[in-house]
This record gives sequence, structure tokens and C-alpha cells, in this order.
Amino acid sequence: QSALTQPPSVSGSPGQSVTISCTGGSSDVGNYNYVSWYQQHPDSVPKLIIYDVAKRPSGVPDRFSGSKSGNTASLTISGLRAEDEGDYYCCSYVGSYTLLFGGGTKLTVL
Amino acid sequence: QVRLIQSGAEVKKPGASVKVSCKTSGYTFTDYYVHWVRQAPGQGPEWMGWINPNTGFTTYAQHFQGRLTLTRDISISTFYMELARLTSDDTAVYFCARDAEISGVVSPANWGQGSRVSVSS
Repeated sequence: QSALTQPPSVSGSPGQSVTISCTGGSSDVGNYNYVSWYQQHPDSVPKLIIYDVAKRPSGVPDRFSGSKSGNTASLTISGLRAEDEGDYYCCSYVGSYTLLFGGGTKLTVL
Repeated sequence: QVRLIQSGAEVKKPGASVKVSCKTSGYTFTDYYVHWVRQAPGQGPEWMGWINPNTGFTTYAQHFQGRLTLTRDISISTFYMELARLTSDDTAVYFCARDAEISGVVSPANWGQGSRVSVSS
């Protein structure tokens, strides 16, 4: 199964908002409310920032929010900060108890 | 504090097998499923499978069927990932990750530090 589709890169200035999309199909993203998002800085471990489409783990700022419409899930980062720069990956349940990651999006804070 | 501590780097020849360990602490071992995820150099994460810590039941990504074995040792709160018939494409950092929710299987949340596996002749 191919990776979920994410834009290769997005950018924004400090204080602005950016949205990263994650597109799947009607059998995965569109069929389950089990999309998670991960932030990864260079040479670091991925960090869970959103799960079950819109839930935030303890300690994750509310600047990070998740949503879903149809076959596309979205991660929005508001009040962009320099430390938000990094790679972001979505991950969805795709049935049969299996998961699939997106190809990743590089966020640049200008 | 939830901790997952993985074994160190490995260098293997093509055709060999590798076994990575993941020792957990800071929570009730049998409450949370554990996923294994790998990340090749310059690539995104790739989900490999998960294991039920109670029963040892496993689910694997189709890509790894027949080559991947996930196990656990309840007595020492440790999980294992063994990958057989290695090729250069298996060169990656391998992570264990506890799920976010009790008995959950959809959200790898607390990650180990990663174990680098290099496959080269």
C-alpha cells in the first residue's frame, strides 16, 4: 500500500498559521477517526502531537490542532514559532489492525 | 515516567538476521500494545507491526510478512523485534513505541531512542 499523501514542504513566518494535509482514501483516512501526527526534528525521535484525529497528548501546546474532512486529515499549527521547524508525518489506521504513515512534510519557519 | 530503552547499533551481513530489544519501565507492561517502526536514512517512518503484551498476539505489515517476528518477555518487561533475511534495504533505525491508550493499537506514542541497523557486505 502506498504512503498517505502529504505536501513535500510548507512554510510560514513566525506568528502565522500553517496547515499540513494528509490525503488517503475511503478505506483508510476516510473510514476511521484514527489519524495521528508526529513532529520530528533532525536526528531526533518522532514525537506524537495529535492522535485520534484531534486529541492532543499531555504537554503538547494547543497551537497544534487536528481535523479531518472526507479522505483528508489536516494538522494546523497556529502562532508559528522557530522551534516548530522540522518534519511532520501523519499516520492512519488502514484496517486489518494495520497502520500506514504519510510521506512527510518539511516545515520551514521563514 | 514511561521509558523504552532499546539495544545498541548492529552491523549485519546480507542474509543474516537481527534482533533488537526494547526494555520498558514506568507503566504496567501488560496494559499497552507496542509497535515497531523503522526509518531508513532520509526517509519517513514505516510501520512494521505491533504485539499484544498479554497474549503475544501480533499483527505485521504485509511488507514484512514471513520475515518479521515480534515477541515479548513479561518477566523482564522487554519486547523484541527480529528481522530475517536482511538486505541493504533494511538499513534503518528501528524504533519500538508504546501505544497512546490502554489496549490501543492505532497511535504509537512513547518511542524508544532507536536502534541503528546497518546491512552491508
